[in-house]
Amino acid sequence: RKEVEQDPGPFNVPEGATVAFNCTYSNSASQSFFWYRQDCRKEPKLLMSVYSSGNEDGRFTAQLNRASQYISLLIRDSKLSDSATYLCVVNVKTGGFKTIFGAGTRLFVKA
Amino acid sequence: NAGVTQTPKFRILKIGQSMTLQCTQDMNHNYMYWYRQDPGMGLKLIYYSVGAGITDKGEVPNGYNVSRSTTEDFPLRLELAAPSQTSVYFCASSYSLGREETQYFGPGTRLLVL
Repeated sequence: RKEVEQDPGPFNVPEGATVAFNCTYSNSASQSFFWYRQDCRKEPKLLMSVYSSGNEDGRFTAQLNRASQYISLLIRDSKLSDSATYLCVVNVKTGGFKTIFGAGTRLFVKA
Repeated sequence: NAGVTQTPKFRILKIGQSMTLQCTQDMNHNYMYWYRQDPGMGLKLIYYSVGAGITDKGEVPNGYNVSRSTTEDFPLRLELAAPSQTSVYFCASSYSLGREETQYFGPGTRLLVL
């Protein structure tokens, strides 16, 4: 079982739609959680951190459910520019910390 | 402030050739990392460094070597290129490796081994 699992998609949605991605993690020592965005043939970039209380940044909302060991990302009012791959990232405490990247969920927003 | 830079952007190697992928960061970060990303797969850690002179293996170190003589530079060496090393290589850096730490990535090097 992968330590961080995501639905690879692709998710094809029209502009203006609301879309949600989930990510599950298996290591109970997972301490912190992030969503990164990766555009085609580009490097990953931090989108937002994910907190237990949930957090929102404009059209993006991230939630963490520690009991069920999953995190989610909700995108409202999708824009064409939201088309990208969204990576779920987990920092796991192992003495120090190690960072585990999910394989990503692809999103295509169409006009 | 250029962040993390990588050279070259793209390279074709023949089997058995060697090359060095360059990575430089100007953020005075202590931690640096090398990842490879294969199509449809997550990033896999090759090597990482916690400071100048200190390196350690990641998940997939075989076939690669690294060095860290300065805070800024973290080159990745492929000694005998194999087709299995065809991938996109990303260098990243972070200030520390704490609970809330996030990583900054370079633009990547696309390597094709034929």
